[in-house]
Amino acid sequence: SQQGEEDPQALSIQEGENATMNCSYKTSINNLQWYRQNSGRGLVHLILIRSNEREKHSGRLRVTLDTSKKSSSLLITASRAADTASYFCAGGNNAGNMLTFGGGTRLMVKP
Amino acid sequence: ETGVTQTPRHLVMGMTNKKSLKCEQHLGHNAMYWYKQSAKKPLELMFVYSLEERVENNSVPSRFSPECPNSSHLFLHLHTLQPEDSALYLCASSQDPHPGELFFGEGSRLTVL
Repeated sequence: SQQGEEDPQALSIQEGENATMNCSYKTSINNLQWYRQNSGRGLVHLILIRSNEREKHSGRLRVTLDTSKKSSSLLITASRAADTASYFCAGGNNAGNMLTFGGGTRLMVKP
Repeated sequence: ETGVTQTPRHLVMGMTNKKSLKCEQHLGHNAMYWYKQSAKKPLELMFVYSLEERVENNSVPSRFSPECPNSSHLFLHLHTLQPEDSALYLCASSQDPHPGELFFGEGSRLTVL
């Protein structure tokens, strides 16, 4: 079953602006992860937030997790044209080696 | 260089062909995965191997046959595929038991004619 659903499906912003993407999930998780994918390439791990954490930062990335609402957000500050990619969230649970992904948000950052 | 290498990067095959996709990880991980990524669809988890044993098979058609001879190598054998099987096939690895970060290869783009 799909563990993450991203919103919006597509986002277009100007360079320098902030980009916010949201993720909702359905079942209990022990961590939530965000990945980035450039067109036709593999996914690259960005950040992992555990179920007992509420916020985490990594460089220009800020992730929040609200387990009561089963939702997460990814904020990219001061966006760059190189941030243009698809961004996916994925939930990991205790049931085994399961990490299932949503459909992704396609971000375009215009120079 | 992600530490996970997939070959070939591109593959075109007819519906009656037999081909294989190969994945190799150099990270010392003990779990490997095959995902399928079709246009406008979420990534689909196909197979999970942990310590060389299959632990997850998400009702994938038998025309896809995985093989994991050791913890560093993973194959996906393809036989009598359909055009709707055309997709990007992604291999990933992680450290067991419960996935933290997945490390992905660059994918194998498969086109079935």
